[in-house]
Amino acid sequence: GQQLNQSPQSMFIQEGEDVSMNCTSSSIFNTWLWYKQDPGEGPVLLIALYKAGELTSNGRLTAQFGITRKDSFLNISASIPSDVGIYFCAGQGGSEKLVFGKGMKLTVNP
Amino acid sequence: KAGVTQTPRYLIKTRGQQVTLSCSPISGHRSVSWYQQTPGQGLQFLFEYFSETQRNKGNFPGRFSGRQFSNSRSEMNVSTLELGDSALYLCASSLRNSGANVLTFGAGSRLTVL
Repeated sequence: GQQLNQSPQSMFIQEGEDVSMNCTSSSIFNTWLWYKQDPGEGPVLLIALYKAGELTSNGRLTAQFGITRKDSFLNISASIPSDVGIYFCAGQGGSEKLVFGKGMKLTVNP
Repeated sequence: KAGVTQTPRYLIKTRGQQVTLSCSPISGHRSVSWYQQTPGQGLQFLFEYFSETQRNKGNFPGRFSGRQFSNSRSEMNVSTLELGDSALYLCASSLRNSGANVLTFGAGSRLTVL
């Protein structure tokens, strides 16, 4: 089935630093979504991308839909302690089923 | 409006038992998807229901089953539980009109199999 390669798998950063993570796919997607999961909770949607090349921001978060439609990245600027959690990318292709990456665990040291 | 509600939040079962988990979607959402989350495997798709019909199915054994009711509420059942079934089971709902399937997740049901 479709696979998403999400990297890095984890990051340890200092408060105030920027964070970058990305996802690549072996197949083309029509939609890219980025979710964040806090401990003990379900994932929450951060950003949705619907068009190749699209660059979208949500506060300190910026995400882009890769021009090849096979990748996407998420940037977090000026990290704060509440950014801690697991970040998931998800892609939707022709099957309409969302495929998730394995997640990137972010730790922010105050 | 209320979010996706999953019950129970936590449960402990023993091998061989069966379990039923419940999910109430956001009002107006007709699609419900189920995922299994484990530390090593991330989010694994179980199945999706839309208007009481299974629309998509993941690669899980037949011990995993689900259904959706006319009010869009959904249940999933796991029979003959195994230790490896210990996981967080997440339910998500969406409008599923067409195009992008943007999911809204519940908080999950954490199942521990002893």
